[in-house]
Amino acid sequence: QKEVEQNSGPLSVPEGAIASLNCTYSDRGSQSFFWYRQYSGKSPELIMSIYSNGDKEDGRFTAQLNKASQYVSLLIRDSQPSDSATYLCAVIAGNTGKLIFGQGTTLQVKP
Amino acid sequence: DADVTQTPRNRITKTGKRIMLECSQTKGHDRMYWYRQDPGLGLQLIYYSFDVKDINKGEISDGYSVSRQAQAKFSLSLESAIPNQTALYFCATSPGAFLSTDTQYFGPGTRLTVL
Repeated sequence: QKEVEQNSGPLSVPEGAIASLNCTYSDRGSQSFFWYRQYSGKSPELIMSIYSNGDKEDGRFTAQLNKASQYVSLLIRDSQPSDSATYLCAVIAGNTGKLIFGQGTTLQVKP
Repeated sequence: DADVTQTPRNRITKTGKRIMLECSQTKGHDRMYWYRQDPGLGLQLIYYSFDVKDINKGEISDGYSVSRQAQAKFSLSLESAIPNQTALYFCATSPGAFLSTDTQYFGPGTRLTVL
C-alpha cells in the first residue's frame, strides 16, 4: 500500500461545477496535510494546508480532513478552465518533517 | 526576484558526465530539499538538509550526492549521469520551526535530459 494515494484521473468537470479531489494516507500518526497545484512543466504551488479535523475554506477552495478515516479532500467551487492542473496531496510523515506526496490527480475543467 | 532559484533551468548531457544542479534561496529558511519528478508520478525525495551541518538521504539517493555550502545554497550532483536520471528536479525550502506543520516552498525546477 502506498503511503499517500490519489486517483490519477483525469477528473473532468464542466466550468462552474464543483470539483472534488480525494486522498487517503496510511500513517495514522500524520498530523499535517497539504494540497499543491502543479501546472504542466511547472513547480508545485501550495494551495491549502490543514491540520485539524473538519473543513478549512480559502476562497473557492475547501480542504476537508477526517483523521479517523485517514482521508483528506479538496473541493474547488465554481471551477474555472484555469484550474485545470494536477493536484498533489502531501502528508508530513510522523514527526520527521519529510513530506510524502501522492502521485497527483489531473483535473480538466471544460468550458 | 524569486525566493527560490534553480540553475540551470534546462540541461542536456551525456551518459557518464558529472552534473551539478544548484539551488539558492532568499527566504531565510533553514531546511532545504531535493526532489525528482518523473512523468505521471509524484515527487520523490532525494536528499534533505535541516541545517548546514545536517544532510540526510531520502528515498532515492543512490547515484546522487549533495552539498550544503551555506544556509542559502544547496547543490545536487550526479557523479556519473545515466539515462534513467532524466527527470524534472525540484529544490524546496521550509522554515523548520515545527516539524509537524512545516510548509515547503518549491523552486521553478530543472529539466535534465541524459542521452
